[in-house]
Amino acid sequence: DIQLTQSPSFLSASVGDRVTITCRASHNIYNSLAWYQQKPGKAPKRLIYGASTLQSGVPSRFSGSGSGTAFTLTISSLQPEDFATYYCQQLNSYPLTFGGGTKVEIK
Amino acid sequence: EVQLVESGGGLVQPGGSLRLSCAVSGFIVSDNYMSWVRQAPGKGLEWVSVLYSAGTTYYTDSVKGRFTISRDNSKNTVYLQMSSLRGEDTAVYYCVRDDYSNSPYYSGMDVWGQGTTVTVS
Repeated sequence: DIQLTQSPSFLSASVGDRVTITCRASHNIYNSLAWYQQKPGKAPKRLIYGASTLQSGVPSRFSGSGSGTAFTLTISSLQPEDFATYYCQQLNSYPLTFGGGTKVEIK
Repeated sequence: EVQLVESGGGLVQPGGSLRLSCAVSGFIVSDNYMSWVRQAPGKGLEWVSVLYSAGTTYYTDSVKGRFTISRDNSKNTVYLQMSSLRGEDTAVYYCVRDDYSNSPYYSGMDVWGQGTTVTVS
């Protein structure tokens, strides 16, 4: 199974901050990675797929990069509605796996 | 409008069974890959099972032999039959559509239901 390690698991930031979340895969997954945002009590929402392709309707302050085993999600200027938990997911092989999540909270 | 509506969750004793349903509107279930993803209380996301449009199924190891994913094309509905339930199966179960619009590349899960809660106790 492919393991995904997200860091940090918790992040405290202010509105306007640049935020970077890292996801590392235990094996080469090429660009087969997606990022999701989840708010409390709600279903996750896809932000990015193919490591760097922005989901239609998602603000351009979100961006993804990386390939192989190292990936990042960047929020260029954190907005109040961005406080949530973020998950990466590898799309390369079954069983599909998710990272442990990064909770972004208000500083 | 594309929508997934789960139902069938509830409280069940260890060893019991439950069938979750996912009623789909806005697209044809049999033309798509559909998965179930679960989230234990306060924990992260865990993929459970997938049903291909061609009928192939896969399961995470912890549910193999206990859970079965299926669909009813006439009802445009996906099911997850769960048996021999354990405490560690307690979770919110989400029905999701797997995005293969860029086939053969898999682009992740683009449509999610609101979830249904299963409590094994």
